[in-house]
Amino acid sequence: DQQVKQNSPSLSVQEGRISILNCDYTNSMFDYFLWYKKYPAEGPTFLISISSIKDKNEDGRFTVFLNKSAKHLSLHIVPSQPGDSAVYFCAARGRGSARQLTFGSGTQLTVLP
Amino acid sequence: DGGITQSPKYLFRKEGQNVTLSCEQNLNHDAMYWYRQDPGQGLRLIYYSQIVNDFQKGDIAEGYSVSREKKESFPLTVTSAQKNPTAFYLCASSIPSGTGTRTEAFFGQGTRLTVV
Repeated sequence: DQQVKQNSPSLSVQEGRISILNCDYTNSMFDYFLWYKKYPAEGPTFLISISSIKDKNEDGRFTVFLNKSAKHLSLHIVPSQPGDSAVYFCAARGRGSARQLTFGSGTQLTVLP
Repeated sequence: DGGITQSPKYLFRKEGQNVTLSCEQNLNHDAMYWYRQDPGQGLRLIYYSQIVNDFQKGDIAEGYSVSREKKESFPLTVTSAQKNPTAFYLCASSIPSGTGTRTEAFFGQGTRLTVV
């Protein structure tokens, strides 16, 4: 049973436009959410995060929105650049001592020049 | 330069053989993790360790074993009991809970294991 879901396996966007990647979760005990970016044959790199007590966090071209009532978060990239083309993973961290991350299945973003 | 080093980058194993994947970090992180990635799937947790000499099973621990004798090292052994070992393996580390809110995990570059 997937606790973190990314229902869109792929997304194509024109350069300069906005990219919106979505993520849904089922476990209300998650208290921290993260986005990672991954290139082929490399490890994921941390992009941006948000605590469950907030509804928005912004870092340059990247903004993450959290809607707790809908158990939904999204990553906005604006403007999109060809170098943003990668797989984006949504991850959630549970409360408690373990703090391990639960990942979604990823969305392949392709930014077209 | 602080970071996580996984070795080797590519590994081939014959069926029935055990193989050990190395993971070393010099970030002074207490917590370390092993994930597995398969095509079209997210990262699934194999094992994690919050402190030296302690580790816990993740979601897919069957057929794997780990040790945590040193803070810097968290090797993963893929045993012959693992039915589908061909995958991309990722090691990560993080500052554990209670030390701040920013506890994102930092990943190594991964090891591609292929069973031949």
